[in-house]
Amino acid sequence: DGGITQSPKYLFRKEGQNVTLSCEQNLNHDAMYWYRQDPGQGLRLIYYSQIVNDFQKGDIAEGYSVSREKKESFPLTVTSAQKNPTAFYLCASSDTGQGNEKLFFGSGTQLSVL
Amino acid sequence: RKEVEQDPGPFNVPEGATVAFNCTYSNSASQSFFWYRQDCRKEPKLLMSVYSSGNEDGRFTAQLNRASQYISLLIRDSKLSDSATYLCVVTPSGAGSYQLTFGKGTKLSVIP
Repeated sequence: DGGITQSPKYLFRKEGQNVTLSCEQNLNHDAMYWYRQDPGQGLRLIYYSQIVNDFQKGDIAEGYSVSREKKESFPLTVTSAQKNPTAFYLCASSDTGQGNEKLFFGSGTQLSVL
Repeated sequence: RKEVEQDPGPFNVPEGATVAFNCTYSNSASQSFFWYRQDCRKEPKLLMSVYSSGNEDGRFTAQLNRASQYISLLIRDSKLSDSATYLCVVTPSGAGSYQLTFGKGTKLSVIP
């Protein structure tokens, strides 16, 4: 089945630690995105990539980094510079990145601070 | 005014009831509109796109009112399985998907 896979489902971060969230898709989509969702809040865009080897900052990129070395993979690293990382992280993809396209989401990663 | 506003609810309705949600948007250049459904601690899934002429999919009807800058979602004959948070999503004309603006969502609980 085609889809988008996030792992792990739950992740715990210690003070000063960098952690990486995995996102893989086999939909052959060009565009991929990372969103953060806090309780009672809308999704906020962290980073996006519309093509391999290229990515752009979203609205809340500080404290995060990404890479897009392969079309199917878009990992997100939450660095120690992100002081409030506890949130639900969602990876998504779409065919070409046009605004009228359906977004396909992974099942999410809940990140908590120890 | 916030870009996309939704009544957070919760809307508690009995099974079989008809319920409607509105979503207002501030950017008059907005062109694409969607309703996504999100179950608790799960990923959002596209429920339906909203077209200028309005559209219906079974028990669900979506409407767009450009003059007043809002979209609506009507659910008829509510089922227990309709309990979820409904997200309004808007994007400007000609924009990429990275410019989607998500509302905070309206929570619906359908009660037996």
